[in-house]
Amino acid sequence: DQQVKQNSPSLSVQEGRISILNCDYTNSMFDYFLWYKKYPAEGPTFLISISSIKDKNEDGRFTVFLNKSAKHLSLHIVPSQPGDSAVYFCAASDSSYKLIFGSGTRLLVRP
Amino acid sequence: KAGVTQTPRYLIKTRGQQVTLSCSPISGHRSVSWYQQTPGQGLQFLFEYFSETQRNKGNFPGRFSGRQFSNSRSEMNVSTLELGDSALYLCASSLAFRAEETQYFGPGTRLLVL
Repeated sequence: DQQVKQNSPSLSVQEGRISILNCDYTNSMFDYFLWYKKYPAEGPTFLISISSIKDKNEDGRFTVFLNKSAKHLSLHIVPSQPGDSAVYFCAASDSSYKLIFGSGTRLLVRP
Repeated sequence: KAGVTQTPRYLIKTRGQQVTLSCSPISGHRSVSWYQQTPGQGLQFLFEYFSETQRNKGNFPGRFSGRQFSNSRSEMNVSTLELGDSALYLCASSLAFRAEETQYFGPGTRLLVL
């Protein structure tokens, strides 16, 4: 039973345009959400997070939106750059602090 | 500051054998978590240790075990290996056992079971 789902295994975007990565969750007890980026042969690196008391968090080109009623979060990258090409994982945690990850979305930013 | 290091980076074992993987966290970090990554499954949580105590455990069989030493280094052991255990095993460290504490991942140990 996947509690965190990333239904798009891949996404291709033109350089300079917006990339939107989506994530859905089923557990209403999740109260903290994160996005990680992973390059080949490296471990995931933290990108941005959001608490359930917020609906938006920005950090430079990256913005995460949280829609609690829809149990949906998204990551917006504007403008997209070729160096953003990587696999993006969303993750969620509840009071146990255990991180539950989605299966990842491979983003390709075309020059 | 040195990042999270994992040894070995690659490992080939046969079914029925056992394996021990090692993780050295970032200096000062006391929480270490382990994850298994397989194609299409994302990262699945194995367990987390904080101050030498297992604080959290995922849904893996008892063949998967771990421990943490007083210097925060951690080891993960898999006994009676199965073909399905072939995966990338990642460890992550953080300052404390809280969701808001950023987890820093190592490069992983890729295990192949033949």
